Amino acid sequence: EAQVTQNPRYLITVTGKKLTVTCSQNMNHEYMSWYRQDPGLGLRQIYYSMNVEVTDKGDVPEGYKVSRKEKRNFPLILESPSPNQTSLYFCASSLQQRSHEQFFGPGTRLTVL
Amino acid sequence: AQSVTQLGSHVSVSEGALVLLRCNYSSSVPPYLFWYVQYPNQGLQLLLKYTSAATLVKGINGFEAEFKKSETSFHLTKPSAHMSDAAEYFCAVTNFNKFYFGSGTKLNVKP
Repeated sequence: EAQVTQNPRYLITVTGKKLTVTCSQNMNHEYMSWYRQDPGLGLRQIYYSMNVEVTDKGDVPEGYKVSRKEKRNFPLILESPSPNQTSLYFCASSLQQRSHEQFFGPGTRLTVL
Repeated sequence: AQSVTQLGSHVSVSEGALVLLRCNYSSSVPPYLFWYVQYPNQGLQLLLKYTSAATLVKGINGFEAEFKKSETSFHLTKPSAHMSDAAEYFCAVTNFNKFYFGSGTKLNVKP
């Protein structure tokens, strides 16, 4: 089944404790992206990747890191999480960036205490 | 810079009534435009997309949207609402590598 998977789905952590949210797609998509969703703000793009080893900042990259060592995986790293990073996070992928449908993962709900 | 404005964070319609969700965008170059739907506790699904072909775009579940360059709008419509349409709807724009989403409109469908 074609899908985007994220792990974990739920995470409660404390300020400053490094964490990684994994994202994997099995559709051989070139473009992958991370978003955060906050009430009243919609989705905001954190980072995106056009292909392996090619990543760039979205609208709200501060406090986040990403890597794209393999085409299928695009982990999101929070080196020192803070409470303002409490949010719902989505990973998405598409065949190419511009004209193609983005497939979204199920989301990761992160709470930073 | 690109941006998307969705007028009305909550819209309520009766079952069988017309659905109209508004989206206006700003873009310095011809945009690609999308409407996504999010059901509770799920990710987003694509409803339809405009990619510079026909200005009237038909999507899934009876939804359609019309691209109006002069009004910089891409409003989403459905002639007759169904209870299963209750969800949150997001308009999005992209023209280079980034995507910009609106703040979303929650659609409530009354029996």
